[in-house]
Amino acid sequence: EVQLVESGGVVVQPGGSLRLSCAASGFTFDDYTMHWVRQAPGKGLEWVSLISWDGGSTYYADSVKGRFTISRDNSKNSLYLQMNSLRTEDTALYYCATNPRIPYYYMDVWGKGTTVTVSS
Amino acid sequence: DIQMTQSPSSLSASVGDRVTITCRASQGISNYLAWYQQKPGKVPKLLIYAASTLQSGVPSRFSGSGSGTDFTLTISSLQPEDVATYYCQKYNSAPPITFGQGTRLEIK
Repeated sequence: EVQLVESGGVVVQPGGSLRLSCAASGFTFDDYTMHWVRQAPGKGLEWVSLISWDGGSTYYADSVKGRFTISRDNSKNSLYLQMNSLRTEDTALYYCATNPRIPYYYMDVWGKGTTVTVSS
Repeated sequence: DIQMTQSPSSLSASVGDRVTITCRASQGISNYLAWYQQKPGKVPKLLIYAASTLQSGVPSRFSGSGSGTDFTLTISSLQPEDVATYYCQKYNSAPPITFGQGTRLEIK
């Protein structure tokens, strides 16, 4: 069974840092481009970042560029999101998701998400 | 950047009704559009990609159409389990990836 499990979400103060993880199983992880997508409380979906299968290409939403870094470790079937200089507006449920086929960027399998709260 | 605008933002319909949700792109995106369903408290689910291709396992009452700037998601006969928020997403080029603001569907 294809499964994505996010972890690492906590309450953090503005200006703080956090690293989210996404553990993948049930598929060949290093075949797939991966995404992070977030959803603020009561709001819609916002794409955050993506990384190619080998980590060689990364993209970011303007709202997080320069503050967040996406990475992956294919030997551990894991995806990461390093979040620095956190702001209250980064408070959200963060999902990781697979991208079924490049060069088309959409998401088919989603994890259940991990909650990040940025508050003093 | 290309903006995606959905309409309506919310709607209420009766069981058995035909329901249509519209998504408009600010520039042409060919057929590079996906639709997602997010039930209350649940994870988003891919319904349709390439504007009209049904994802495996999605009921046939769901359909998508359109090309260029105007797209529709249609539910041919609304069921109680279809209560959800629906999002469109364009993917015609390299990121940024943009979602529509969502359409909340309720049962009347």
